[in-house]
Amino acid sequence: ETGVTQTPRHLVMGMTNKKSLKCEQHLGHNAMYWYKQSAKKPLELMFVYNFKEQTENNSVPSRFSPECPNSSHLFLHLHTLQPEDSALYLCASSQDWTGRVRQPQHFGDGTRLSIL
Amino acid sequence: RKEVEQDPGPFNVPEGATVAFNCTYSNSASQSFFWYRQDCRKEPKLLMSVYSSGNEDGRFTAQLNRASQYISLLIRDSKLSDSATYLCVVKREPFNKFYFGSGTKLNVKP
Repeated sequence: ETGVTQTPRHLVMGMTNKKSLKCEQHLGHNAMYWYKQSAKKPLELMFVYNFKEQTENNSVPSRFSPECPNSSHLFLHLHTLQPEDSALYLCASSQDWTGRVRQPQHFGDGTRLSIL
Repeated sequence: RKEVEQDPGPFNVPEGATVAFNCTYSNSASQSFFWYRQDCRKEPKLLMSVYSSGNEDGRFTAQLNRASQYISLLIRDSKLSDSATYLCVVKREPFNKFYFGSGTKLNVKP
């Protein structure tokens, strides 16, 4: 139990579908992240939210739309995805305290997305 | 230049061996350092934080050299279960920015 829960664990969708990935953290953290990891590739940062505000968008295509309604929940809305978007999508959270910079990230189990 | 650089490996070692990984980071303003472990098709999991004075957790020892901007991880008495990819991670404020290396793959063989 990592304290970060992602749903669904697996998702298969067509290129014209619209779906959403959900992430919830139970750790009281104030920052949340979306990462993409393609097969045998390093992690790619997509988005960062601090206190519900987006502080980083790493040149992600607009077919990925994040939403952070509060510090505990993060969504990634997907529409008209491409086959190359098939990957493991990981959510993470962390805490940002002044004087307590040594706060690591905690990851969810990920959503394995396949685009047909 | 990448923020964090690691030798991708793979490092193939026999059980019981001692193995060391290094990682370099480019920004001297980096404040916190971590090693994560990632198994195939799984999420990264925190292995240990890296403190300025160096720290040990069982068979694992982490060192930080701020002057040379590198971090190391030493694994003693390798187990088969240590086979994984080891990710070097650097954190900078503000805004909780984490920078991941591409990972070093370790294969421990019987």
